[in-house]
Amino acid sequence: EDKVVQSPLSLVVHEGDTVTLNCSYEVTNFRSLLWYKQEKKAPTFLFMLTSSGIEKKSGRLSSILDKKELFSILNITATQTGDSAVYLCAVEAPGNTPLVFGKGTRLSVIA
Amino acid sequence: DAGITQSPRHKVTETGTPVTLRCHQTENHRYMYWYRQDPGHGLRLIHYSYGVKDTDKGEVSDGYSVSRSKTEDFLLTLESATSSQTSVYFCAISMGGGKLFFGSGTQLSVL
Repeated sequence: EDKVVQSPLSLVVHEGDTVTLNCSYEVTNFRSLLWYKQEKKAPTFLFMLTSSGIEKKSGRLSSILDKKELFSILNITATQTGDSAVYLCAVEAPGNTPLVFGKGTRLSVIA
Repeated sequence: DAGITQSPRHKVTETGTPVTLRCHQTENHRYMYWYRQDPGHGLRLIHYSYGVKDTDKGEVSDGYSVSRSKTEDFLLTLESATSSQTSVYFCAISMGGGKLFFGSGTQLSVL
């Protein structure tokens, strides 16, 4: 059975801290890994990673994939209260099979 | 926005009543999905569709049925609602390459 495990499940940090969120997976015939951010409503897309070792960046957020060790990390530097959200990791297998989601990491950034 | 609308946004119903949630898209995407989201469980796939009249079950399909008679509409029906089906329901469409775009969600309470 395909599985995606995120850690930690929740995290509280102070503004300005750097955080690392983890996602490990056991998915047959991996195609890509995606990160989403969910604030109060629907998840919104952050990154898609398909190749090992290539960092994706968007402002203070960055992510990298290790296909050998089957994990990805999402880094957020200089955190702000607006980064408070649930961060979801999902893995795609080929053939238009639905994404497999992890349970998410709830990040709370306090002033 | 990718043009996806869920209705209703909120619903309160009684145990044993049938409930239908609607997902409408304006961009002719082939793949559509229904997820439920509950604390501690993340996003779980209920059913998905890969075309008109083509649907398949997800991991938590018991107690739910779906229909897709037109490309733009994907309906989720709870045949006889139970309290365990109290949840937030998200519809999503596939933008290609594994990337999903989510609707704003329906908060369903079954009393």
